[in-house]
Amino acid sequence: KAGVTQTPRYLIKTRGQQVTLSCSPISGHRSVSWYQQTPGQGLQFLFEYFSETQRNKGNFPGRFSGRQFSNSRSEMNVSTLELGDSALYLCASSLGDVSRVGNNEQFFGPGTRLTVL
Amino acid sequence: DAKTTQPPSMDCAEGRAANLPCNHSTISGNEYVYWYRQIHSQGPQYIIHGLKNNETNEMASLIITEDRKSSTLILPHATLRDTAVYYCIVRVEYFGNEKLTFGTGTRLTIIP
Repeated sequence: KAGVTQTPRYLIKTRGQQVTLSCSPISGHRSVSWYQQTPGQGLQFLFEYFSETQRNKGNFPGRFSGRQFSNSRSEMNVSTLELGDSALYLCASSLGDVSRVGNNEQFFGPGTRLTVL
Repeated sequence: DAKTTQPPSMDCAEGRAANLPCNHSTISGNEYVYWYRQIHSQGPQYIIHGLKNNETNEMASLIITEDRKSSTLILPHATLRDTAVYYCIVRVEYFGNEKLTFGTGTRLTIIP
């Protein structure tokens, strides 16, 4: 079974631009979560989508948004990029199924490294 | 979700067992203990999780104390490829709670 894939793997943008990152979950997984990792703040939860609906959201400004498609693929968008948005963006997928409580581990993709100049 | 405390770094000789401790003294009865690791610049990798009983899989063993206030992840025969940051996470599992709250973890270095 293929793992979580993220595209692109590396991206360079300039301040003020916007960026869209893509995540394809493991086949059959309906939940996709996004995380930001920086040296100063560590790994921080951005948001989670399940069945095309945002179920949970972290403490990030509205410039960070996302969506999920009917095939469970997800995209996140960052508008008006700032230097501090430079980070490794990770997505994780899981079944997200209540009947799997206790066996609902998340699997992470390799991440997209975004550099804002 | 309960907070966890881990030592910032540990060393272990190659071939020996690596024992990584985690304190979660405020854990509640319905919170699971999860372990992930992150090898440099890669996405975190799921290792193991448990609720009350000790667990073992092909990667590691998880020992949870009877009062559940602490746990130990055991890598039985550490190799150089086990060098990584190890995260202990405690969370309640219920429908809609997929959020993982990562702390600073333990940087494990395997010494040849």
